[in-house]
Amino acid sequence: DTEVTQTPKHLVMGMTNKKSLKCEQHMGHRAMYWYKQKAKKPPELMFVYSYEKLSINESVPSRFSPECPNSSLLNLHLHALQPEDSALYLCASNPSTGRNTEAFFGQGTRLTVV
Amino acid sequence: SQQGEEDPQALSIQEGENATMNCSYKTSINNLQWYRQNSGRGLVHLILIRSNEREKHSGRLRVTLDTSKKSSSLLITASRAADTASYFCAASMDSSYKLIFGSGTRLLVRP
Repeated sequence: DTEVTQTPKHLVMGMTNKKSLKCEQHMGHRAMYWYKQKAKKPPELMFVYSYEKLSINESVPSRFSPECPNSSLLNLHLHALQPEDSALYLCASNPSTGRNTEAFFGQGTRLTVV
Repeated sequence: SQQGEEDPQALSIQEGENATMNCSYKTSINNLQWYRQNSGRGLVHLILIRSNEREKHSGRLRVTLDTSKKSSSLLITASRAADTASYFCAASMDSSYKLIFGSGTRLLVRP
């Protein structure tokens, strides 16, 4: 299994809603990432987990809350989002067996905040 | 914040021609990676070049790295319509798994 699976594929939520994005990989990768991507822009790093611990937070607003319950699963909890948070949210994983390894990306969750 | 810039932002070529994209980055790196993205979905890894390498080939892809200029280039030879996509470079930083993307090049290969 060489896939990173993200659910849901599409999500529409109101500004007062609470929702979660889910990312799963069964490749034994120990680094996992969340990226945000706006249309015609590059992916923008949000969080990095290494060995289930948050290692990088790129000054992301607290309305985005990551969670890594185990080595295969990464969640992104969303609360009180703004319309400008509408974007494609990408999850990725990395074997982290050395520094020269590639990242594997999921297909993303397209989020619309109304 | 973005690590670097890519140029051109957009490139339109005829099938069979070569496509060259350039990437510049700002800090020291472990490696430089190139990814492809179709229609705003997931990114697919194309090739990785380590900081101590200068050139690498994979099929129709050729990547160069100049660490003194903090720049890299991706050459796609004999392009096909199916190569139409956005291409991003990504810099892997020292001592972390941080991976920062450049601004990207949108490639259109006309049949």
